[in-house]
Amino acid sequence: QKEVEQDPGPLSVPEGAIVSLNCTYSNSAFQYFMWYRQYSRKGPELLMYTYSSGNKEDGRFTAQVDKSSKYISLFIRDSQPSDSATYLCAMKMYSGGGADGLTFGKGTHLIIQP
Amino acid sequence: KAGVTQTPRYLIKTRGQQVTLSCSPISGHRSVSWYQQTPGQGLQFLFEYFSETQRNKGNFPGRFSGRQFSNSRSEMNVSTLELGDSALYLCASGYNQETQYFGPGTRLLVL
Repeated sequence: QKEVEQDPGPLSVPEGAIVSLNCTYSNSAFQYFMWYRQYSRKGPELLMYTYSSGNKEDGRFTAQVDKSSKYISLFIRDSQPSDSATYLCAMKMYSGGGADGLTFGKGTHLIIQP
Repeated sequence: KAGVTQTPRYLIKTRGQQVTLSCSPISGHRSVSWYQQTPGQGLQFLFEYFSETQRNKGNFPGRFSGRQFSNSRSEMNVSTLELGDSALYLCASGYNQETQYFGPGTRLLVL
């Protein structure tokens, strides 16, 4: 079982729809959760970062974390064609005296149809 | 502020050669991390440097190494290249690992 599971898609939705992207994880040591957006042939771009369970909102984006279920979500409201990209969840734990690197999901390919 | 820059952007090498990739972090960022991205494995953590010290390392063989200079610029080196090393190599910088900003990557093709 991989540490972080993410449906690769593609997920195709019409413009203006609410998009729900999800990841599940197995290691309860993960403490920090991020969402990145990656356009083709570009580096990932940090969208959201959260630590605690609950919701965090930033414009059209809402990140949700449920640590008890080991489940995180990203919601995109009023989706636009420019939101078409691969969305990667990432998470991080602390161990010993240092910090581990980010553990990523494989990414969900999102297509917003005009 | 200027973003993370990586050079070169594209590279073609043959098996057995070695390669050095360069990363200039965002000004003020002392943490620099390197990641390998492939279609099969996705994004995988290579190592992180902070103030010229390797703070953490992922599960990659010793052929993969890196260093960080006093101005926070970082290099990673891959020796004895294998076909499987073909990938997009991404550098990310930040004040900490929770908010890492990625560069555009170096696309390495090993023939």
